[in-house]
Amino acid sequence: QLQLQESGPGLVKPSETLSLTCTVSGGSITSSSYYWVWIRQSTGKGLEWIGSIYYSGSSYYNPSLKSRVTISVDTSKNQFSLKLRSVTAADTAVYYCARLVKEVETWFDPWGQGTLVSVSS
Amino acid sequence: DIQMTQSPSSLSASVGDRVTITCRASETIDSYLNWYQQKPGKAPKLLIYAASSLQSGVPSRFSGSGSGTDFTLTISSLQPEDFATYYCQQSYTNPDTFGQGTKLEIK
Repeated sequence: QLQLQESGPGLVKPSETLSLTCTVSGGSITSSSYYWVWIRQSTGKGLEWIGSIYYSGSSYYNPSLKSRVTISVDTSKNQFSLKLRSVTAADTAVYYCARLVKEVETWFDPWGQGTLVSVSS
Repeated sequence: DIQMTQSPSSLSASVGDRVTITCRASETIDSYLNWYQQKPGKAPKLLIYAASSLQSGVPSRFSGSGSGTDFTLTISSLQPEDFATYYCQQSYTNPDTFGQGTKLEIK
């Protein structure tokens, strides 16, 4: 059964870079039918898709965050990572990683348990 | 961005009730609509994909319908474990967007 687990600091200072890693177990990140995504959830903005990456490294991002976001993949470790630069308090949220199933339509399944990241000095 | 609007925002119901939640897209999204259930402190869980396909392992009391701009999630007979928050999500255009959620509470 595929499982995803987020890891990284729970507290980041304003203007610094938020860095999170998602470790995939129970399946390979190089499976051809899937992308891998980051989604966040905050009280103010609800659920927000951040971006997606394919195992080849091809990625695409939410235009609202594109200038500050990089998602990368490490197939040797079965992991993918998120970097969000120049964070502010508005970036405080629970961050989830998930698998994107891509057929004609697409959907997110399963999700990691989520990790709370607070932005504060 | 495509705006997803759910109604109602909250709903009180009893065990055994039939419940319907509506999701409306600001423009047509064909059948690119998914439904998720989220319980407190947990990640969202996929219930319905492609508007009407039931995810494996999800009870058959859950069903989805709709196409274009208007969609519904129906729970035919509420069970105690169904009290949660439900979200719709469109995957028709980048960026994928979610509804604001419908909180289903016990009456």
